[in-house]
Amino acid sequence: DIQMTQSPSSLSASVGDRVTITCQASHDISNYLTWYQKKPGKAPKVLIYDASNLETGVPSRFSGTASGTYFTFTISSLQPDDLATYYCQQYAELPPTFGGGTKVEI
Amino acid sequence: EVELVESGGGLAQPGGSLRLSCGASGLTFSNYAMSWVRQAPGKGLDWVSLISGSGGSTNYADSVKGRFTISRDTSTNTVYLQMSSLRGEDTAIYYCAKHRGAASGDYMDVWGNGTTVTVSS
Repeated sequence: DIQMTQSPSSLSASVGDRVTITCQASHDISNYLTWYQKKPGKAPKVLIYDASNLETGVPSRFSGTASGTYFTFTISSLQPDDLATYYCQQYAELPPTFGGGTKVEI
Repeated sequence: EVELVESGGGLAQPGGSLRLSCGASGLTFSNYAMSWVRQAPGKGLDWVSLISGSGGSTNYADSVKGRFTISRDTSTNTVYLQMSSLRGEDTAIYYCAKHRGAASGDYMDVWGNGTTVTVSS
């Protein structure tokens, strides 16, 4: 199975801050990576797919980049509504695997 | 708008069974692969099982292989997860998710709100 190593596991930031989360794949996954936002009691929401494409309707403050097996997710200006846990997930091969999550606190 | 609604969760005893259902609307059901993903209390997301759009291909996490069975009914736009030989570690919120395409190699773009399974005596 492909292991996804996500960091940090949690972070605290202020409104307006730039926030960066990273995810490293144990094997080549090309750009088959998604970033999800998960709030308590809510369904996961896709923010970024194919490593860098913004899902329809998602604010442009969210972005993703890829460099080999290293992936970065950025919130350019943190907003109060961004309080959530963020997960990366690879879909290059089965089984689909998730990173451990990053809890963002404000 | 695509909507997924899960049902069937509840309390089960260790060694018992439950069947989860996921009703889909707003889509051509057979065009999309479907998965079940779970989140145990205080833990992260964990993929459980996938079924292709045609229903001809299924895959399972090692942790549930031989105990869980995924199926789909195109006539009712429903995906099922039959869970048997349940264990305490199966306690979780179970989410149904639609893949972007018919095969397994695509991301899950629409999710339901989940149904809670508790395995306890």
